[in-house]
Amino acid sequence: NAGVTQTPKFRVLKTGQSMTLLCAQDMNHEYMYWYRQDPGMGLRLIHYSVGEGTTAKGEVPDGYNVSRLKKQNFLLGLESAAPSQTSVYFCASSRSGTSGGFQETQYFGPGTRLLVL
Amino acid sequence: LAKTTQPISMDSYEGQEVNITCSHNNIATNDYITWYQQFPSQGPRFIIQGYKTKVTNEVASLFIPADRKSSTLSLPRVSLSDTAVYYCLVRGRGKSTFGDGTTLTVKP
Repeated sequence: NAGVTQTPKFRVLKTGQSMTLLCAQDMNHEYMYWYRQDPGMGLRLIHYSVGEGTTAKGEVPDGYNVSRLKKQNFLLGLESAAPSQTSVYFCASSRSGTSGGFQETQYFGPGTRLLVL
Repeated sequence: LAKTTQPISMDSYEGQEVNITCSHNNIATNDYITWYQQFPSQGPRFIIQGYKTKVTNEVASLFIPADRKSSTLSLPRVSLSDTAVYYCLVRGRGKSTFGDGTTLTVKP
């Protein structure tokens, strides 16, 4: 049971290049999330998904797209990278949003460090 | 989404009890309060969650007053390994709002 894994661990891009970050979870979780964390700051929600085939915008969705074609995978795409997107990207998953009224725990991946030059 | 406010940093010594308070004035009726711990170069890790009054588990306690506009994470007898950033998170359905976190430094 690997939990939440992220690929790649580190990447350097030039401005204008595109790339896709892959998140995979083997816990059969319904909900998945993408966050970004800038130095010295908290996590900000980019996009999230409440189930296969569904996605929704978070706090800072501009410049990113996501897809959830399979339940276990959640992809984050940057179509035209900008230096402002230099950050650490964390993926998380949870069993659901609520369970009997109680919020489900989010399990985080190890992060992807992205540098845009 | 409810915004949270926490102290930027706190210092403590080994063996002391540490209390970190989070303010969430605009918390919604259905929002729960969750605390996460993050070590450098790692993703956050769940510590504790609550809705009202007091919740306790093997690592921490969470105190939430009746108006739910704040919450306090209590770490009993901290050790050097508790040095980390602690985030207060107010979650509604499917969405999460992290605060800026409190950097706790435990000194010997």
